[in-house]
Amino acid sequence: GNSVTQMEGPVTLSEEAFLTINCTYTATGYPSLFWYVQYPGEGLQLLLKATKADDKGSNKGFEATYRKETTSFHLEKGSVQVSDSAVYFCALRGGGAQKLVFGQGTRLTINP
Amino acid sequence: GAGVSQTPSNKVTEKGKYVELRCDPISGHTALYWYRQSLGQGPEFLIYFQGTGAADDSGLPNDRFFAVRPEGSVSTLKIQRTERGDSAVYLCASSLTGTGGAGYTFGSGTRLTVV
Repeated sequence: GNSVTQMEGPVTLSEEAFLTINCTYTATGYPSLFWYVQYPGEGLQLLLKATKADDKGSNKGFEATYRKETTSFHLEKGSVQVSDSAVYFCALRGGGAQKLVFGQGTRLTINP
Repeated sequence: GAGVSQTPSNKVTEKGKYVELRCDPISGHTALYWYRQSLGQGPEFLIYFQGTGAADDSGLPNDRFFAVRPEGSVSTLKIQRTERGDSAVYLCASSLTGTGGAGYTFGSGTRLTVV
């Protein structure tokens, strides 16, 4: 079945550092890939998405590229801010199913 | 409404009791989903509605769990004979259609604690 594996956390960085959170997936067919973010005390929010190979999703300075050859969708940001502290979830939707399959989440803390 | 609304936000119940969790999706969204998120884990799929019908209920863990969406809008997740292992945050999400490229809008969840 479909599955998502995320880089284990927690991850702690200083402000303005470069961020990478790794995500790899296993899926049949051509899934759509997503990153969701959960800020403290808030619900899950869609951060970015990509629906086909080589697509790059981007939002709020974050980027992720759909790499079919490596079955990856790593999240990157060039210069993180304290306000980026949250839990990040990689997810996929595919194989004809409508449900999202989530990774276990990566807690990110940015120190000033 | 402007977002997906879930009530109650918190529910504490005794083992063995029956609970109902309500989800009010974004107006016009035909697809509605229930997920369960245990502490430190990603959300796990429970059930998906397209309109009034359950199009995929493969994630419901056992027959104690049941969900309805009688008029194609509000949905209720029902848990019978609750167990301590049912304690989790139950998330509802909706989307305009069920198509694969769209993201969902999630509600803030109902935190269920079974004591």
